[in-house]
Amino acid sequence: AQKITQTQPGMFVQEKEAVTLDCTYDTSDQSYGLFWYKQPSSGEMIFLIYQGSYDEQNATEGRYSLNFQKARKSANLVISASQLGDSAMYFCAMREGLGNTGFQKLVFGTGTRLLVSP
Amino acid sequence: DAMVIQNPRYQVTQFGKPVTLSCSQTLNHNVMYWYQQKSSQAPKLLFHYYDKDFNNEADTPDNFQSRRPNTSFCFLDIRSPGLGDAAMYLCATTTSGSLTGELFFGEGSRLTVL
Repeated sequence: AQKITQTQPGMFVQEKEAVTLDCTYDTSDQSYGLFWYKQPSSGEMIFLIYQGSYDEQNATEGRYSLNFQKARKSANLVISASQLGDSAMYFCAMREGLGNTGFQKLVFGTGTRLLVSP
Repeated sequence: DAMVIQNPRYQVTQFGKPVTLSCSQTLNHNVMYWYQQKSSQAPKLLFHYYDKDFNNEADTPDNFQSRRPNTSFCFLDIRSPGLGDAAMYLCATTTSGSLTGELFFGEGSRLTVL
Protein backbone atom coordinates (compact mmCIF):
# COMPACT_ATOMS: atom_id res chain seq x y z
CA ALA A 1 0.00 0.00 0.00
CA GLN A 2 1.20 3.48 -0.83
CA LYS A 3 2.36 5.12 2.35
CA ILE A 4 3.03 8.58 0.96
CA THR A 5 0.83 9.99 -1.78
CA GLN A 6 1.59 13.10 -3.75
CA THR A 7 -1.20 13.58 -6.27
CA GLN A 8 0.25 16.55 -8.15
CA PRO A 9 2.87 15.46 -10.70
CA GLY A 10 3.48 19.09 -11.63
CA MET A 11 2.58 22.54 -10.37
CA PHE A 12 3.02 25.97 -11.88
CA VAL A 13 3.19 29.20 -9.93
CA GLN A 14 4.12 32.75 -10.72
CA GLU A 15 6.99 34.38 -8.93
CA LYS A 16 6.01 35.98 -5.60
CA GLU A 17 2.84 33.95 -5.30
CA ALA A 18 2.19 31.24 -2.72
CA VAL A 19 1.81 27.58 -3.67
CA THR A 20 0.63 24.49 -1.81
CA LEU A 21 2.02 21.05 -2.54
CA ASP A 22 -0.17 18.21 -1.34
CA CYS A 23 0.88 15.16 0.63
CA THR A 24 -1.18 12.48 2.33
CA TYR A 25 0.22 9.59 4.30
CA ASP A 26 -0.83 6.29 5.72
CA THR A 27 0.42 4.83 8.97
CA SER A 28 -0.92 3.05 12.00
CA ASP A 29 1.94 4.25 14.19
CA GLN A 30 1.26 6.92 16.78
CA SER A 31 4.79 8.25 16.58
CA TYR A 32 6.06 9.29 13.17
CA GLY A 33 7.74 12.16 11.43
CA LEU A 34 6.99 13.94 8.20
CA PHE A 35 9.53 15.66 6.01
CA TRP A 36 9.70 17.71 2.88
CA TYR A 37 12.79 17.64 0.70
CA LYS A 38 13.64 19.71 -2.36
CA GLN A 39 15.59 18.15 -5.22
CA PRO A 40 16.97 20.57 -7.81
CA SER A 41 18.17 19.31 -11.16
CA SER A 42 21.63 18.84 -9.65
CA GLY A 43 20.26 15.84 -7.75
CA GLU A 44 20.95 16.64 -4.12
CA MET A 45 18.07 16.19 -1.70
CA ILE A 46 17.77 19.31 0.43
CA PHE A 47 15.90 19.14 3.72
CA LEU A 48 13.21 21.81 4.02
CA ILE A 49 10.96 21.16 6.98
CA TYR A 50 9.97 18.57 9.57
CA GLN A 51 6.77 17.86 11.48
CA GLY A 52 6.53 15.38 14.31
CA SER A 53 3.28 13.56 14.89
CA TYR A 54 3.02 14.94 18.41
CA ASP A 55 3.80 18.52 17.45
CA GLU A 56 0.71 20.60 18.08
CA GLN A 57 1.78 23.56 16.02
CA ASN A 58 2.46 23.55 12.30
CA ALA A 59 6.14 23.68 11.49
CA THR A 60 7.56 26.76 9.80
CA GLU A 61 10.98 27.42 8.30
CA GLY A 62 11.32 30.78 6.63
CA ARG A 63 9.12 30.77 3.53
CA TYR A 64 8.15 27.15 4.11
CA SER A 65 5.32 26.02 6.32
CA LEU A 66 3.75 22.64 6.79
CA ASN A 67 -0.03 22.44 7.02
CA PHE A 68 -0.39 19.40 9.25
CA GLN A 69 -3.87 17.92 9.55
CA LYS A 70 -3.47 14.79 11.60
CA ALA A 71 -7.04 13.54 11.39
CA ARG A 72 -6.91 13.78 7.60
CA LYS A 73 -3.38 12.39 7.49
CA SER A 74 -2.20 15.23 5.36
CA ALA A 75 1.00 17.25 5.49
CA ASN A 76 0.89 19.85 2.78
CA LEU A 77 3.84 22.13 2.09
CA VAL A 78 3.13 25.81 1.62
CA ILE A 79 5.75 27.96 -0.06
CA SER A 80 5.10 31.65 0.30
CA ALA A 81 6.46 34.31 -2.04
CA SER A 82 7.78 31.84 -4.63
CA GLN A 83 11.16 32.52 -6.18
CA LEU A 84 12.62 31.33 -9.47
CA GLY A 85 15.09 29.24 -7.50
CA ASP A 86 12.21 27.26 -6.01
CA SER A 87 11.77 25.41 -9.32
CA ALA A 88 12.60 21.81 -8.44
CA MET A 89 11.15 18.44 -7.48
CA TYR A 90 9.60 18.32 -4.03
CA PHE A 91 9.31 15.09 -2.09
CA CYS A 92 7.21 14.37 0.93
CA ALA A 93 8.58 11.64 3.17
CA MET A 94 7.63 9.82 6.33
CA ARG A 95 9.90 8.41 8.97
CA GLU A 96 9.30 4.81 9.92
CA GLY A 97 10.90 2.49 12.33
CA LEU A 98 12.00 4.75 15.13
CA GLY A 99 12.17 2.48 18.10
CA ASN A 100 14.63 1.33 20.70
CA THR A 101 17.27 0.81 18.09
CA GLY A 102 16.99 4.39 16.97
CA PHE A 103 16.90 3.36 13.35
CA GLN A 104 15.01 5.72 11.10
CA LYS A 105 13.95 4.90 7.57
CA LEU A 106 12.42 7.46 5.26
CA VAL A 107 9.75 6.45 2.76
CA PHE A 108 9.25 8.93 -0.03
CA GLY A 109 6.34 9.96 -2.19
CA THR A 110 6.66 10.19 -5.97
CA GLY A 111 7.26 13.92 -5.88
CA THR A 112 5.80 17.08 -7.36
CA ARG A 113 7.68 19.11 -9.96
CA LEU A 114 7.27 22.81 -9.24
CA LEU A 115 7.93 25.37 -11.93
CA VAL A 116 8.10 29.02 -10.95
CA SER A 117 7.62 31.45 -13.81
CA PRO A 118 8.69 35.12 -13.89
CA ASP B 1 31.24 22.63 2.94
CA ALA B 2 29.79 19.39 1.67
CA MET B 3 29.22 16.94 4.51
CA VAL B 4 28.20 13.91 2.46
CA ILE B 5 30.30 13.46 -0.64
CA GLN B 6 29.57 11.01 -3.40
CA ASN B 7 31.94 9.95 -6.14
CA PRO B 8 31.77 9.88 -9.01
CA ARG B 9 28.94 12.28 -9.77
CA TYR B 10 28.49 10.64 -13.15
CA GLN B 11 29.39 7.08 -14.05
CA VAL B 12 29.03 5.40 -17.42
CA THR B 13 29.49 1.66 -17.60
CA GLN B 14 28.83 -1.13 -20.03
CA PHE B 15 26.22 -3.79 -19.57
CA GLY B 16 27.62 -6.36 -17.16
CA LYS B 17 30.73 -4.40 -16.20
CA PRO B 18 31.03 -3.99 -12.40
CA VAL B 19 30.86 -0.54 -10.96
CA THR B 20 31.57 0.90 -7.52
CA LEU B 21 30.11 4.11 -6.14
CA SER B 22 31.52 5.72 -3.03
CA CYS B 23 30.15 7.87 -0.26
CA SER B 24 32.06 9.65 2.47
CA GLN B 25 30.78 11.75 5.32
CA THR B 26 32.28 14.17 7.81
CA LEU B 27 29.30 14.15 10.17
CA ASN B 28 30.37 11.10 12.16
CA HIS B 29 26.89 9.69 11.71
CA ASN B 30 26.49 6.04 12.57
CA VAL B 31 23.72 5.27 10.08
CA MET B 32 24.31 5.33 6.32
CA TYR B 33 21.83 4.58 3.56
CA TRP B 34 21.86 3.88 -0.14
CA TYR B 35 18.81 4.89 -2.14
CA GLN B 36 18.15 4.21 -5.81
CA GLN B 37 16.15 6.82 -7.69
CA LYS B 38 15.03 6.13 -11.23
CA SER B 39 13.86 8.89 -13.50
CA SER B 40 10.69 10.62 -12.23
CA GLN B 41 10.34 8.15 -9.36
CA ALA B 42 10.64 8.26 -5.60
CA PRO B 43 13.95 7.29 -4.03
CA LYS B 44 13.88 3.63 -3.05
CA LEU B 45 15.91 2.33 -0.14
CA LEU B 46 18.35 -0.43 -1.13
CA PHE B 47 20.04 -1.02 2.22
CA HIS B 48 21.49 0.71 5.22
CA TYR B 49 24.22 0.35 7.78
CA TYR B 50 23.49 0.85 11.42
CA ASP B 51 27.01 1.13 12.77
CA LYS B 52 28.65 -1.95 11.26
CA ASP B 53 25.44 -3.89 10.91
CA PHE B 54 24.26 -4.28 7.34
CA ASN B 55 20.51 -4.31 6.66
CA ASN B 56 19.25 -5.28 3.25
CA GLU B 57 15.77 -4.36 2.05
CA ALA B 58 13.81 -7.47 1.15
CA ASP B 59 13.42 -6.53 -2.51
CA THR B 60 16.98 -5.37 -3.18
CA PRO B 61 18.47 -7.56 -5.91
CA ASP B 62 21.55 -9.65 -5.12
CA ASN B 63 23.34 -7.71 -7.84
CA PHE B 64 23.70 -4.88 -5.34
CA GLN B 65 26.26 -5.16 -2.55
CA SER B 66 27.68 -2.72 -0.07
CA ARG B 67 30.73 -2.26 2.10
CA ARG B 68 31.40 0.02 5.01
CA PRO B 69 35.08 -0.20 5.99
CA ASN B 70 34.80 2.55 8.60
CA THR B 71 32.33 5.12 9.94
CA SER B 72 33.15 7.66 7.27
CA PHE B 73 32.98 5.60 4.11
CA CYS B 74 30.40 3.43 2.42
CA PHE B 75 30.51 1.81 -1.01
CA LEU B 76 27.84 0.55 -3.33
CA ASP B 77 28.93 -2.26 -5.65
CA ILE B 78 26.84 -3.27 -8.64
CA ARG B 79 28.25 -6.59 -9.75
CA SER B 80 26.69 -6.89 -13.19
CA PRO B 81 24.82 -3.74 -14.14
CA GLY B 82 21.82 -4.14 -16.38
CA LEU B 83 20.02 -1.47 -18.36
CA GLY B 84 17.41 -1.33 -15.61
CA ASP B 85 20.03 -0.27 -13.08
CA ALA B 86 20.52 3.09 -14.74
CA ALA B 87 19.51 5.55 -12.05
CA MET B 88 20.63 8.16 -9.59
CA TYR B 89 22.14 6.59 -6.47
CA LEU B 90 21.81 8.65 -3.34
CA CYS B 91 23.81 8.21 -0.19
CA ALA B 92 22.38 9.58 3.04
CA THR B 93 23.37 9.62 6.69
CA THR B 94 21.81 10.20 10.06
CA THR B 95 22.57 9.61 13.67
CA SER B 96 20.60 7.22 15.79
CA GLY B 97 20.40 9.94 18.41
CA SER B 98 18.58 12.33 16.12
CA LEU B 99 15.26 13.53 17.51
CA THR B 100 13.74 14.05 14.09
CA GLY B 101 15.46 11.38 12.01
CA GLU B 102 16.47 13.91 9.36
CA LEU B 103 18.61 12.40 6.62
CA PHE B 104 21.57 14.26 5.15
CA PHE B 105 22.06 13.49 1.49
CA GLY B 106 24.96 13.66 -0.90
CA GLU B 107 24.60 15.05 -4.40
CA GLY B 108 24.13 11.62 -5.87
CA SER B 109 25.89 9.49 -8.45
CA ARG B 110 24.13 9.21 -11.78
CA LEU B 111 24.75 5.84 -13.41
CA THR B 112 24.34 5.25 -17.14
CA VAL B 113 24.49 1.70 -18.48
CA LEU B 114 25.28 1.25 -22.17
